[in-house]
Amino acid sequence: DVKVTQSSRYLVKRTGEKVFLECVQDMDHENMFWYRQDPGLGLRLIYFSYDVKMKEKGDIPEGYSVSREKKERFSLILESASTNQTSMYLCASSLVKLGLTEAFFGQGTRLTVV
Amino acid sequence: SQQGEEDPQALSIQEGENATMNCSYKTSINNLQWYRQNSGRGLVHLILIRSNEREKHSGRLRVTLDTSKKSSSLLITASRAADTASYFCATDGDTGGFKTIFGAGTRLFVKA
Repeated sequence: DVKVTQSSRYLVKRTGEKVFLECVQDMDHENMFWYRQDPGLGLRLIYFSYDVKMKEKGDIPEGYSVSREKKERFSLILESASTNQTSMYLCASSLVKLGLTEAFFGQGTRLTVV
Repeated sequence: SQQGEEDPQALSIQEGENATMNCSYKTSINNLQWYRQNSGRGLVHLILIRSNEREKHSGRLRVTLDTSKKSSSLLITASRAADTASYFCATDGDTGGFKTIFGAGTRLFVKA
């Protein structure tokens, strides 16, 4: 089974801190994604990566950056955490093959910025 | 803006009844997917339907796709309390599969 693992389930950080959210997948997927989920807004794409060292902005990249140094690992960085970044963060990976794009998700990290 | 828009936002039914959720989207797609999310957890893939398919079944799930109306529906038959979850549709939009774009979801509550 595909496994996507996020480093923390719950995280509390202070305003202004630099925050790292880590995600690791074990199925050699090319694509990896970071979403944030807020009530009533569904999942919004922050960044995605389709290869090592490649990254593309999603719909809400402001205040975030990402790093993909190895194929299996995709990190989300909050450069200076703010209270409006309190949210559930979901990492996903997928294998793009013949247009089939089933995504596998991690369990989520609930981040609170105080 | 979101690609997928689910309807209704919330649905409450009795165990044993059928649940129908709808999804509308805006751009052309290669495929449409449905996911389930139990409270506070990650999403789990349920079913994928390609743009050249009209209907697909998986166990108690039935998905239809109408590309002319840019809409899809998810039917869960003989619902169970364990089906209580949020359901999301997702599409690859016009990105060739590099992005998966989600709607806001339908919250389903099945009463025992």
